[in-house]
Amino acid sequence: EVQLVQSGAEVKKPGESLKISCQGSGYSFSRYWIGWVRQRPGKGLEWMGTIYPDDSDTRHSPSFQGQVTISADKSTNTAYLQWSSLQASDTAMYYCGRGSGSYFNAYDAFDIWGQGTMVTVSS
Amino acid sequence: DIQMTQSPSSLSASVGDRVTITCRASQGISNFLAWYQQKPGKVPKLLIYGAYTLQPGVPSRFSGSGSGTDFTLTISSLQPEDVATYYCQMYNSAPLFGGGTKVEIK
Repeated sequence: EVQLVQSGAEVKKPGESLKISCQGSGYSFSRYWIGWVRQRPGKGLEWMGTIYPDDSDTRHSPSFQGQVTISADKSTNTAYLQWSSLQASDTAMYYCGRGSGSYFNAYDAFDIWGQGTMVTVSS
Repeated sequence: DIQMTQSPSSLSASVGDRVTITCRASQGISNFLAWYQQKPGKVPKLLIYGAYTLQPGVPSRFSGSGSGTDFTLTISSLQPEDVATYYCQMYNSAPLFGGGTKVEIK
């Protein structure tokens, strides 16, 4: 079965760092783009960026460039989303999604989604 | 920057009704348009990609059309299990989602 499994919910204080994960299985993980999507409580979906695990080529949304770090470890079939200093406005559900199986199509629809990781930032 | 405008933001229809949701891009995106369904408290699910190609397993009452700037998601006969928020997403360049359409049963 093709699936993406994300790490569990997190509660953090403003200024703290955080790294959440998304592990793929059932397919050739390193050869598909993996993207991240934010959904703030009661709000819509926001595309954050995407990574090709085979060579870690990364594309960011201009809205999130410099705000988060997207990385991947193809040896463990895992992609990561990382913050160095969280803010209350980062409180949201974060989803990973599987994109294209072609390196040349960095931008694509997500056919498989992780279950989501809820991040709560509160003092 | 491309803007994606989805309408209406919400609608209420009866079981069996034909429902249409529209997504408009501020500039042409060819057919690089997907539609997702997100039921309350659940993960988004891909319904349609390439503007009109149905994802395997998606009921045939869902259909997509359009190219360029104007796109439509149609539910031919609304069912109770279709209560959800629907999002369009363009992926011609850095992907962008529409604001969503909440569909309820009247």
